[in-house]
Amino acid sequence: KQEVTQIPAALSVPEGENLVLNCSFTDSAIYNLQWFRQDPGKGLTSLLLIQSSQREQTSGRLNASLDKSSGRSTLYIAASQPGDSATYLCAATSGTYKYIFGTGTRLKVLA
Amino acid sequence: SAVISQKPSRDICQRGTSLTIQCQVDSQVTMMFWYRQQPGQSLTLIATANQGSEATYESGFVIDKFPISRPNLTFSTLTVSNMSPEDSSIYLCSVGEIGLGEQYFGPGTRLTVT
Repeated sequence: KQEVTQIPAALSVPEGENLVLNCSFTDSAIYNLQWFRQDPGKGLTSLLLIQSSQREQTSGRLNASLDKSSGRSTLYIAASQPGDSATYLCAATSGTYKYIFGTGTRLKVLA
Repeated sequence: SAVISQKPSRDICQRGTSLTIQCQVDSQVTMMFWYRQQPGQSLTLIATANQGSEATYESGFVIDKFPISRPNLTFSTLTVSNMSPEDSSIYLCSVGEIGLGEQYFGPGTRLTVT
């Protein structure tokens, strides 16, 4: 059974800092891993999708990597801004359409 | 990407009543999903709704409590029945296509049960 965890649970950084969010999963036979952003009381915004054959995906200041052998994915945010403050969720699917979500990392970027 | 809307965006309901949440997509999709996010928690899948078939419920969720309809390829409803304060959550629908993997989420419905 797939389990997904995220460390740290919360993170506070000064503006401009580069940061890494971590996502670990127990079943290495994943099909996709997707990173989302959630603002307080809102729905989820898809950030990046990494398919099992890929190692990383980039979008603007965001870069997500996937290492299936170690059961890890990281989300790298360059030059963080206060507008990046949100909860970041990763979700993995193991060959089916069902996503298992991580516990989330609550990020606060201080101006 | 798909654009998804949900109604209502929020509601406050009394215990024992039921609420039906609507999910509308701007394009035809095979699979629609309903998730629950309890306060301070991550998302938990309630059920998968495919058009023309019964919804498939995850462990811990039953049809009598969360009946789902999927009348066509762009619309679904989730009813939260006989509500109790423990049902206070954000309910989100999402869509995806088999083989593509990426899922898109609606804005969510924030439900408070008093």
